[in-house]
Amino acid sequence: DAGVIQSPRHEVTEMGQEVTLRCKPISGHDYLFWYRQTMMRGLELLIYFNNNVPIDDSGMPEDRFSAKMPNASFSTLKIQPSEPRDSAVYFCASSPGVRGTEAFFGQGTRLTVV
Amino acid sequence: AQSVTQLGSHVSVSEGALVLLRCNYSSSVPPYLFWYVQYPNQGLQLLLKYTSAATLVKGINGFEAEFKKSETSFHLTKPSAHMSDAAEYFCAVNTGGFKTIFGAGTRLFVKA
Repeated sequence: DAGVIQSPRHEVTEMGQEVTLRCKPISGHDYLFWYRQTMMRGLELLIYFNNNVPIDDSGMPEDRFSAKMPNASFSTLKIQPSEPRDSAVYFCASSPGVRGTEAFFGQGTRLTVV
Repeated sequence: AQSVTQLGSHVSVSEGALVLLRCNYSSSVPPYLFWYVQYPNQGLQLLLKYTSAATLVKGINGFEAEFKKSETSFHLTKPSAHMSDAAEYFCAVNTGGFKTIFGAGTRLFVKA
C-alpha cells in the first residue's frame, strides 16, 4: 500500500482565500484523523471520522474550518476564509480501528497564509 | 481525561551515548502508549507501542521503552546514539477510544 496520501505538500495562499487540503487514507482503515502541528501548540487533533462519519470535532478551532469524508477513500479539510494564524503543517492519519493499533500518518501539507 | 507530558523540549547527547527521552501519562483506564519519530519535513512514524503485553517494549532502530504503571511513565531509551537518530520524538496515549493524544515532543540532537 502507498500509505496515507496528502495533497498538496505545500500551499501558499493569501489571507481571505479558501484552502482545501486533501487526504486519501490507507485502504481498509476505518478511522481517519486530521491533526495540525505548530511550534506553539504542538500536534493537535482537529477532527476524526469513523466509517466516514465525524465522531469528534471538538478540536476544530473555528467555524472557518470544516472537514468532510464523502467516501472511505477521500477526505478534505477546508479553511474559509484563511488567516495567517492558520499557517501550520496539517497531517492526515488513518487507523484500522483495532484497539491498540497506531495511526499511520501522511507526509503532511505545509500551509502558509500570507 | 488522558494526557501526556514529555519532560524536556530539547535533549542533546554525544554520538555513542545513552539516549533517554522522558514521558509521563495520565489516564483513568489502562492505556495504550506509543512513541513516534518525526524527521524533518516528514510525517510521524511509529517507533514502538505498549498494548498491555510485555512492559518492556522493543522498537525499530534499537529503541526500547518500559511501561511503569507505578510511575505512570513510558520513557524511551537507546543504549548508543547515532547521528541518524537526530529527530523529534513524540509520546502518545490512547485509552482505547481511538482518540490519540500526543505530547509536545522532544527534539533530539546528536553531537559528533
